[in-house]
Amino acid sequence: KAGVTQTPRYLIKTRGQQVTLSCSPISGHRSVSWYQQTPGQGLQFLFEYFSETQRNKGNFPGRFSGRQFSNSRSEMNVSTLELGDSALYLCASSLGVEGNQPQHFGDGTRLSIL
Amino acid sequence: GQNIDQPTEMTATEGAIVQINCTYQTSGFNGLFWYQQHAGEAPTFLSYNVLDGLEEKGRFSSFLSRSKGYSYLLLKELQMKDSASYLCAVRDRHGSGGSYIPTFGRGTSLIVHP
Repeated sequence: KAGVTQTPRYLIKTRGQQVTLSCSPISGHRSVSWYQQTPGQGLQFLFEYFSETQRNKGNFPGRFSGRQFSNSRSEMNVSTLELGDSALYLCASSLGVEGNQPQHFGDGTRLSIL
Repeated sequence: GQNIDQPTEMTATEGAIVQINCTYQTSGFNGLFWYQQHAGEAPTFLSYNVLDGLEEKGRFSSFLSRSKGYSYLLLKELQMKDSASYLCAVRDRHGSGGSYIPTFGRGTSLIVHP
């Protein structure tokens, strides 16, 4: 069974640009969450989607947005990129939203802002 | 909000036992997860605790005390490949909708030496 797939793996952008990252969850998983990981802050929750609806949102500015499609695939978008947005962006999927569902992570997209 | 504390770094000898502690403060506890993350790779699920007590899974065990806001991950018969970052994540009830969001600690970097 294929794991969580994130594309692209690496991305270089400049300040002010916008970027779209993609995540394909494990087949059958309907919940997708996005995280930002930096050396200084660790893993920080961005948002969670289930059945095409955003269920939760972390403490990030409105420049960060996402969506989920009917096949559970998800995208996140960051507009007006800033230097501080340089990070590893991780997507995680789980079967559902019940508390005991472990999350399975993709390898991430490493975004560098110049 | 919540606060999750775990040591930044630990070192241990191959074949030994190591205990990684995690303390947390939360308003609507709904489970605690441990993940392992090797450098440059995605986090992988290790264990889940929602009730007090010890959960054993091979060389790894995880303990939870909800009244003390405390968990530990115990690694036995350490191997060099266990050198990694170990992330403690608490699932907490958020928002008016009552859904759950995992919040991650900054991770404990474990170095296993011969």
